Order: sequence, then C-alpha cells, then structure tokens
Amino acid sequence: AQSVTQPDIHITVSEGASLELRCNYSYGATPYLFWYVQSPGQGLQLLLKYFSGDTLVQGIKGFEAEFKRSQSSFNLRKPSVHWSDAAEYFCAVGAGDNDMRFGAGTRLTVKP
Amino acid sequence: SAVISQKPSRDICQRGTSLTIQCQVDSQVTMMFWYRQQPGQSLTLIATANQGSEATYESGFVIDKFPISRPNLTFSTLTVSNMSPEDSSIYLCSVGGGAVSVQETQYFGPGTRLLVL
Repeated sequence: AQSVTQPDIHITVSEGASLELRCNYSYGATPYLFWYVQSPGQGLQLLLKYFSGDTLVQGIKGFEAEFKRSQSSFNLRKPSVHWSDAAEYFCAVGAGDNDMRFGAGTRLTVKP
Repeated sequence: SAVISQKPSRDICQRGTSLTIQCQVDSQVTMMFWYRQQPGQSLTLIATANQGSEATYESGFVIDKFPISRPNLTFSTLTVSNMSPEDSSIYLCSVGGGAVSVQETQYFGPGTRLLVL
C-alpha cells in the first residue's frame, strides 16, 4: 500500500520569505499526489495535484509543487509567504480507486 | 469541484449517546468518504460509502460503532454510536468520482467538530 511522510511537523517562516514543505511517498507505481491546506477551524482545501505530465504543477494561492520520481518526493513551494498562509498542510498520495493516504501534516507559522 | 456542507458544524455530547452527522453535496457524486481527524493528528479514513451498496470500512472501524447511510448520490450520514471521550475528533466528509471529480481527486466538507464529555 502507498504511504506518505511529511518530515517537518512545524515550520516557521517570516512573511515575505520563501517556503518549501517536504513530502516523500512510497508507492510502486506512479502515484497520484496532492497537497491540501487546512486553515484553523476549516475543512481541507485542495491546493494542487499531480497525475502525469509536467512534473512542476501550479496550484492556487501561488503555490507550486514538483514531482521528483528519483527522490520519491513532491515538495510544495511558494516564493513569498503571506500571513494568511498560516495553516496545516497535508500531502496525500493516491493509488487508484480513490484510495488516498495522508501524511501527518506540517503546521506553518508565519512571523510578521 | 463541488459545494459540500456538513451538519452539525460542531457539537458537545455526553458519553453513551449517539450523534448523526449529515453530508450534503450540490451535485451527484459516485463516492463519498468519511474521515476522522483526532486532535493534532492527520486524517484517517473510516469508510467509503457508495450509493446502493454497503459501506466499506477500514481496519479498526466497524459498522456497529459508525453506521453509515448513503440513500442517494448527493447525501450521506455517519453516526457515531455510544460515544466516549476518545471519539472527540473532527469528522470530515469528502466526495470523489462522478461529475465533480476526475482522476482520483477528493473534495472535502468543512468538518464536524465533536467533543464528548
């Protein structure tokens, strides 16, 4: 079965600084990969997804992620963080039939 | 995507009671999922609910504790039965398949925050 690891439990960045959230997956075939964001007291919102094709995918709110098969990674990036980006970020991997597994999440704090 | 609503948004319940959570989607979907998110934790899939068939439960979850209904393509309910404080969690509904979702993408409702005293 597929699995996903988010090595960083909590990250703090200054507003305006760049951001990279790490995600590593384990799956024998090409996975479906997702990043979701959960703001405090909210449900999950889809930021972006990768299924095939261009390994650099663009999402909402200025986020992008790059699929690197050789590293089994799908890291999320943003060039300039805004205070409203403070939230919990979840990486997820799907193996088909909507069988989706979530990472433990990374909590992002944005300093003024 | 789809507009997904959940009722109630939050509740405080006494142990031993049951709570039914509703999930409503604004368009027809093939698959609906129920997840639990315990405090400070990630999401754990409880079960998959497809219309016209019995829900499929993940390991560690049983129908007697979490009965699910899926009467049509836009609605599902999850009941948390005989609650204990350990059931205090966020319960999230998600949808996939059908007209609102392609390629394995799931869209989530706002969640129901449950506190059991």
